[in-house]
Amino acid sequence: SQQGEEDPQALSIQEGENATMNCSYKTSINNLQWYRQNSGRGLVHLILIRSNEREKHSGRLRVTLDTSKKSSSLLITASRAADTASYFCATNNPTDSWGKLQFGAGTQVVVTP
Amino acid sequence: GAVVSQHPSRVICKSGTSVKIECRSLDFQATTMFWYRQFPKKSLMLMATSNEGSKATYEQGVEKDKFLINHASLTLSTLTVTSAHPEDSSFYICSASTEVGTEAFFGQGTRLTVV
Repeated sequence: SQQGEEDPQALSIQEGENATMNCSYKTSINNLQWYRQNSGRGLVHLILIRSNEREKHSGRLRVTLDTSKKSSSLLITASRAADTASYFCATNNPTDSWGKLQFGAGTQVVVTP
Repeated sequence: GAVVSQHPSRVICKSGTSVKIECRSLDFQATTMFWYRQFPKKSLMLMATSNEGSKATYEQGVEKDKFLINHASLTLSTLTVTSAHPEDSSFYICSASTEVGTEAFFGQGTRLTVV
């Protein structure tokens, strides 16, 4: 079953702008991961943030985690046309096997030149 | 990062036939792999957990006789869609983790079209 919701469902921005998307989940977690998926392709791992972490950075990506609100956000700074993709959050829960993920609904991001 | 290879990337089959999809961990051993299904413009739905040397664990609502999973070695899991019907057309994708607490690595996915 789906773990939670992502918002917005779709986001259209221009190159150079920042893109922010949010993810909410329902149960306690070991970690939360963000993935990117280009149309019809596999998933590319972006960032893993553990339940005891509050913020992580990787290049132009910044992820926050608020376990009290059961939510996370992904910020892409200075977006590029190549960032056009669907972005998914996924959680690994303490009662599940490592690697077993529950995915959010996803945010479709379109970056126009 | 670790590599998970999935084959074939695309397959078209006739209704009533069976299709096998392979998922291989190329540079690590995976005692556990996962199979997901994705409908167009939708998210990934976990179908089952593939366990090396034992039976797969299926999520609620997934027909185990329809979606046969075999994990005969530490580097290979297979998903067989039996007696395929058009409603089985979908994007199937597998994943595996190298060790506890790390990210999951995904295969390239398989686009199945049943005609």
